[in-house]
Formats: sequence, C-alpha cells, structure tokens
Amino acid sequence: DSGVTQTPKHLITATGQRVTLRCSPRSGDLSVYWYQQSLDQGLQFLIQYYNGEERAKGNILERFSAQQFPDLHSELNLSSLELGDSALYFCASSPQGNEQFFGPGTRLTVL
Amino acid sequence: AQSVTQLGSHVSVSEGALVLLRCNYSSSVPPYLFWYVQYPNQGLQLLLKYTTGATLVKGINGFEAEFKKSETSFHLTKPSAHMSDAAEYFCAVSRPMNSGGYQKVTFGTGTKLQVIP
Repeated sequence: DSGVTQTPKHLITATGQRVTLRCSPRSGDLSVYWYQQSLDQGLQFLIQYYNGEERAKGNILERFSAQQFPDLHSELNLSSLELGDSALYFCASSPQGNEQFFGPGTRLTVL
Repeated sequence: AQSVTQLGSHVSVSEGALVLLRCNYSSSVPPYLFWYVQYPNQGLQLLLKYTTGATLVKGINGFEAEFKKSETSFHLTKPSAHMSDAAEYFCAVSRPMNSGGYQKVTFGTGTKLQVIP
C-alpha cells in the first residue's frame, strides 16, 4: 500500500460525457502528478501540482483539466470524452521531488 | 529537455538467469534516475533510485542499477531471475525539484519481463 488513494477504481461512461477522478496523496506530500497509461501510448505524464499550484504540464489535452485543493487532494476532470480516452489514470505523490508513490489507478472505459 | 530510451519492449529470461534491462537517458542537467516495477492491474512501485553519490544503487527484490554518466545509461540487473519478477519495468528521469516545486518526470516506454520456468 503506497498510501496514495484514488477513486473510483473503475469508471464506465459514454462518449461526450464528463468525469472526475479523485486522488488523495500520502500524508505530507505536497506534489501530485497525474499520468495516463494506455496500450498504444504507454505511460504519459499529464500534469503536476505542488502545494495547490500547477507546476509542470505534459501531454494533457485541452479537454482535460486538474486542480489541487487546500487539503492537497487533487481532481482530474475529463470532458467531451472520446473512445481514445479509455485508459488507466494514475495519480502519484512525492515528498520532495525524489521518488513518486503511485496510487492503484482508475480504469476509465468510454463506450 | 530530457528523454528516456528503454531497449527492448519485451525481454525473456530463464528462471535463475541474469536479468538485464537497458535504459539510456538524455538530460541537460545532472539527472535523477529511477526504476519502477508494475505488476498486472497495479500501480507503479519504486525499485531503486539514483540522485547523487554512489553510482551503484541497490533496490528491493535483489535488483541493482549502475549510473554511468559517460554512457548515459542506467541499466537494471538482477543476478538470478525468479518467477515473481515477471512484470513491466519502467525507467524514469527527472531533474531535482526547483524551489518553486516544478518537476517534470519522463518515463520510458517500459519493458515487459517474462521469466521462463
């Protein structure tokens, strides 16, 4: 158990819909990272937050957005969903920017 | 800019044989380097990391890796493979987090290790 929690574990929705994925980092970790893992794209870094502020951006689509709240939990919002958005979405947290601790992931299926 | 190349998307070894998974990186500053392991339907778990200091780093489950600056490599090895080592392994590179909390981590495409009994 990494100490990072993600909800929900599974999510099935339809094209065009909007979903919110939630992540609670390990106690005390200020940094939260979001990743997308799919069979064809591999593990893609999406975005990083540090103490509530966006800090680094990767291959995140404009239809996707994220935020980190004062209690340090984070949400990833995916809108206008397409079939190709089906993937595993991981959240990770880090104490000082060294190793990352990954959550169990949310498996998103878009039908 | 930084990048990671993992040679071989699939590697097969016999149980008891040497495991060697290759990772080469590029970074404009001294890198932080990591190996993570992912078992089916699970998140990634840190195996080992190099930040500064000793270039040979030991990790969990008998794995180790050596940082070779001249070769820009960080290959992962284990002397004797176990069946339980079958998983996907990811190499990652980052730079130290700056004072503003900025840090971008780049992962390789992963290597699936198959262990043959």
